Amino acid sequence: AQSVAQPEDQVNVAEGNPLTVKCTYSVSGNPYLFWYVQYPNRGLQFLLKYITGDNLVKGSYGFEAEFNKSQTSFHLKKPSALVSDSALYFCAVRPVAGNNRKLIWGLGTSLAVNP
Amino acid sequence: DAMVIQNPRYQVTQFGKPVTLSCSQTLNHNVMYWYQQKSSQAPKLLFHYYDKDFNNEADTPDNFQSRRPNTSFCFLDIRSPGLGDAAMYLCATSRVGPGNQPQHFGDGTRLSIL
Repeated sequence: AQSVAQPEDQVNVAEGNPLTVKCTYSVSGNPYLFWYVQYPNRGLQFLLKYITGDNLVKGSYGFEAEFNKSQTSFHLKKPSALVSDSALYFCAVRPVAGNNRKLIWGLGTSLAVNP
Repeated sequence: DAMVIQNPRYQVTQFGKPVTLSCSQTLNHNVMYWYQQKSSQAPKLLFHYYDKDFNNEADTPDNFQSRRPNTSFCFLDIRSPGLGDAAMYLCATSRVGPGNQPQHFGDGTRLSIL
């Protein structure tokens, strides 16, 4: 079965330090990869996506993500965390084959940035 | 700004009393989705519309129905809400094209059941 794993329920990082939120996937072919962020009592906001090309993708709010095909990973990164980055982060994958209108979601990682 | 709007933001209903949640969009996207999200879990897709074509998920209870009268509006009807239906309901839209189109979400409706 196709799946997306976010191995850490929670990530804690000090403000100003780099952050990484991990995502691996098990999907056939070369899927499209996405990161979304959710602040409390809000909907999900699109951060960035990987389609093809450069393995380092830049997105909103200073976030970037590194695609690694051999490890089937798409880790979210930021060089210097802000307290305002504290939120819930979801990795999602859209398979290329079949119905490409649906996403396979990870379970989410709660990021806490401490002052 | 083009956006996805959900009303109301908070809805309280009684056990077994039908409730309707609404979603509108100014993005002119042809796909509209309804998700259920419980306590910081991953969103669970209930169904989606591709234009007027309704696509139900296999595990969506019959209690949940949807209507899309036009491109801009989509409704989620819960015919007889149970306590287990208390959740955040998220509406999202996307444009059909290459599969790399992101989904755009509204801020959700938090449904409480008394």
